[in-house]
Parts: sequence; structure tokens; C-alpha cells
Amino acid sequence: GAVVSQHPSWVICKSGTSVKIECRSLDFQATTMFWYRQFPKQSLMLMATSNEGSKATYEQGVEKDKFLINHASLTLSTLTVTSAHPEDSSFYICSAIRGGGNTIYFGEGSWLTVV
Amino acid sequence: AQSVAQPEDQVNVAEGNPLTVKCTYSVSGNPYLFWYVQYPNRGLQFLLKYITGDNLVKGSYGFEAEFNKSQTSFHLKKPSALVSDSALYFCAVRDRAAGNKLTFGGGTRVLVKP
Repeated sequence: GAVVSQHPSWVICKSGTSVKIECRSLDFQATTMFWYRQFPKQSLMLMATSNEGSKATYEQGVEKDKFLINHASLTLSTLTVTSAHPEDSSFYICSAIRGGGNTIYFGEGSWLTVV
Repeated sequence: AQSVAQPEDQVNVAEGNPLTVKCTYSVSGNPYLFWYVQYPNRGLQFLLKYITGDNLVKGSYGFEAEFNKSQTSFHLKKPSALVSDSALYFCAVRDRAAGNKLTFGGGTRVLVKP
């Protein structure tokens, strides 16, 4: 099956700093990628839809200036959490659609801890 | 708006017994339905999908699901559960008219006891 890779898997940062998470489609081109946030024992919450070469579409209630998304190529989207605070600590998961396909494939997720 | 409901927070089953995880959905058009499994501290793994065609869909690891349009359900089943099937299962619906976004159910934790 298609492979989506996220990096880093785990990251700890200090309050006030920024951290970048990468999402790569390894064996296919993805014109659309999605970023989700998951709190412990809860479902996934869609944060934004990332479109290659254009601005991301954010879901209601998600701060676009805090969660910067860049989809610079057909295989890479990045999520930057700016001026991180402890309440930003969460599990962040990306997903991608193979071009022309119906299935959405997920990365392994990235644990962010802000101290 | 589309929505997905997984009525059970947790399902307990003995190893070797049949496993069923329930899912109902609501969409305005024709649904694309998916099941994913999540192991602790991991991303989501694709199990199976219904797009069109046969109502009974077979997927990975011996799982299957039946699309029932009249009951708007897409229950996940496995004839004989394994301890290794213990995980968190998510049902999801995709509406192409909504920009390909997936809407997830709340998840059902499956615990298979030896």
C-alpha cells in the first residue's frame, strides 16, 4: 500500500518556540494532504487541508497563524506550530490522497510535548 | 453535513469469538466509507473501504464490513478475533462534494481476551 511518512515521531520543545513536523508521501504524489490533531483517547480532529501550490484551508476554530501549513511539493507538506504552549501538546497525524485514488493514507503520527 | 457514529466506546470479546464493531453514518449523497485501525502511539492503518459495488467488502487481516444503505450502517466484522486485534478502530465517511475530507467516528476500543 501507499506509504506516508512523518518526521519527527517525537519532539519536545520549550514554550514560546516553534516546531516543524514534516509529512511525506514516499511512493506517490499527493496533491492534497490533511493534518489532524488527536487528544488521548479521542477521535481525530481535522485541522486543515493542505493543497500543493496553494494556501491551506483551515477548519473552523483552528488558528492559521499558529499552525502554519506549507505544501511546497507533491510529496511534502509541513506543519509548523508557532510560539508553542503546553496546551498545544498533542498527537498530530497527517494523511494524503494518492492522485486519482479514493483511499486516504495516514502517517505514523508525531507526538509533540511542549514544556 | 456528514457525520459518523460509533455507538460503543469499547467492545470486549474472547479470542476465537466473532467480533463486530458498529458504525452508522449520515451523508447527503453517496458515501465513501472506510475503516481504520490504530495501535497505541501509532498512526492509522487502512483496513477496508466501500466505494460502490458489492455491499460486503473484504479487507486486511481477515476483516470485512457490510454496507447497508437502508440502515445507513457499515459494521466491521471478523469471524474469529485474535488477541492482536486489540486496538482502537475508527469508522470514517468521505463526501467528495465536501472536498474529500474524512469525517471520523469517535472510535471503538476493542479488547480481545485470551
